[in-house]
Amino acid sequence: ETGVTQTPRHLVMGMTNKKSLKCEQHLGHNAMYWYKQSAKKPLELMFVYNFKEQTENNSVPSRFSPECPNSSHLFLHLHTLQPEDSALYLCASSQASGGFNEQFFGPGTRLTVL
Amino acid sequence: AQSVAQPEDQVNVAEGNPLTVKCTYSVSGNPYLFWYVQYPNRGLQFLLKYITGDNLVKGSYGFEAEFNKSQTSFHLKKPSALVSDSALYFCAVRDMAAGSQGNLIFGKGTKLSVKP
Repeated sequence: ETGVTQTPRHLVMGMTNKKSLKCEQHLGHNAMYWYKQSAKKPLELMFVYNFKEQTENNSVPSRFSPECPNSSHLFLHLHTLQPEDSALYLCASSQASGGFNEQFFGPGTRLTVL
Repeated sequence: AQSVAQPEDQVNVAEGNPLTVKCTYSVSGNPYLFWYVQYPNRGLQFLLKYITGDNLVKGSYGFEAEFNKSQTSFHLKKPSALVSDSALYFCAVRDMAAGSQGNLIFGKGTKLSVKP
């Protein structure tokens, strides 16, 4: 469970705020992911980084801005969000991207946009 | 289109009884299939995967899954359910579409409830 950590665990923000989510993996993996989990919907892949390079942007609105300074850290910068962006945001890592390796998930950040 | 379906929103089982959580898929080529579990207030945890080989795959916590190519299914099973197995279960398949990065496509999840 401590392989992938996420902070903060809970975040409440107004639509005009700017905040950032942080993810750190201690597994020596090379790929990192951001997912959005909303109630009764499939997990939505947002971004994928492989060896610090972004390999996937799944048509995510520009109010979400990812940053991957190294293979161990991943950020999601948030600004001018909408109430429908309220969800659980999950970070994951795997040995490499491409869907062959199992992914290890963090506990998530529960985001509420007022 | 590549897709994965979990036809049941919820499965209820009595403790000690066998359990099955269903998953069907639609991909081009040979599928790569995964099962994950999510306990309350936690991230997803990997249970097992099918890449190739034996159709019966054994995973964590006594779970197993059977790959059935003719029925395009990958149902999750356990011979004897525990109350602690109560959680949300996700099936996932590797995106095999031409030009894709091979990322995982997740089902919407099935809530398993095991009663004492």
